[in-house]
Amino acid sequence: DAGVIQSPRHEVTEMGQEVTLRCKPISGHNSLFWYRQTMMRGLELLIYFNNNVPIDDSGMPEDRFSAKMPNASFSTLKIQPSEPRDSAVYFCASSTFSVKETQYFGPGTRLLVL
Amino acid sequence: GQQVMQIPQYQHVQEGEDFTTYCNSSTTLSNIQWYKQRPGGHPVFLIQLVKSGEVKKQKRLTFQFGEAKKNSSLHITATQTTDVGTYFCAGRWGGATNKLIFGTGTLLAVQP
Repeated sequence: DAGVIQSPRHEVTEMGQEVTLRCKPISGHNSLFWYRQTMMRGLELLIYFNNNVPIDDSGMPEDRFSAKMPNASFSTLKIQPSEPRDSAVYFCASSTFSVKETQYFGPGTRLLVL
Repeated sequence: GQQVMQIPQYQHVQEGEDFTTYCNSSTTLSNIQWYKQRPGGHPVFLIQLVKSGEVKKQKRLTFQFGEAKKNSSLHITATQTTDVGTYFCAGRWGGATNKLIFGTGTLLAVQP
């Protein structure tokens, strides 16, 4: 059974460029979470969806970040324009919708903005 | 806001020594989970604690949830090099949310 799939695994881009990160959750999971991990700030929740609907986007750093979930099997996190301080590892995780469920993380996208 | 503090940030042990990491919340948690992230990897679920005072064991790992459900600990007995990684606690508070707030993590280094 495939786990959470993220693409690309690595992205190097220049400041000002648009970056799109993609995530395919585990089939049957109806909650999806986007996290950002840096040395300075640790693992931060950016936004999460239940049944494709954004529930809490309070962790999204600023208007340059946007996330969508057009269907149950696909989500994107977009940064436009990108800045060097956006360099981090971005993880997508999915779970079933329950207050006791575990989250399954994807392998992450390592983003470097020059 | 909801925060989970974790200490220590880093621990270096000799193989065979014990290791403990602690998690604290200023408010009562509904449940807490523990994850392990190997270097270069992604967080992987270890266990969930729900009940006040709960203790769970997984081989050499012992997890505790405080009586007040505000703190938790992970203890590893006789560490091995395979235990290397960052250990995160992640808390949930009351209500219908399934959002997790992750602690800052403890990086464990084990010297053979």
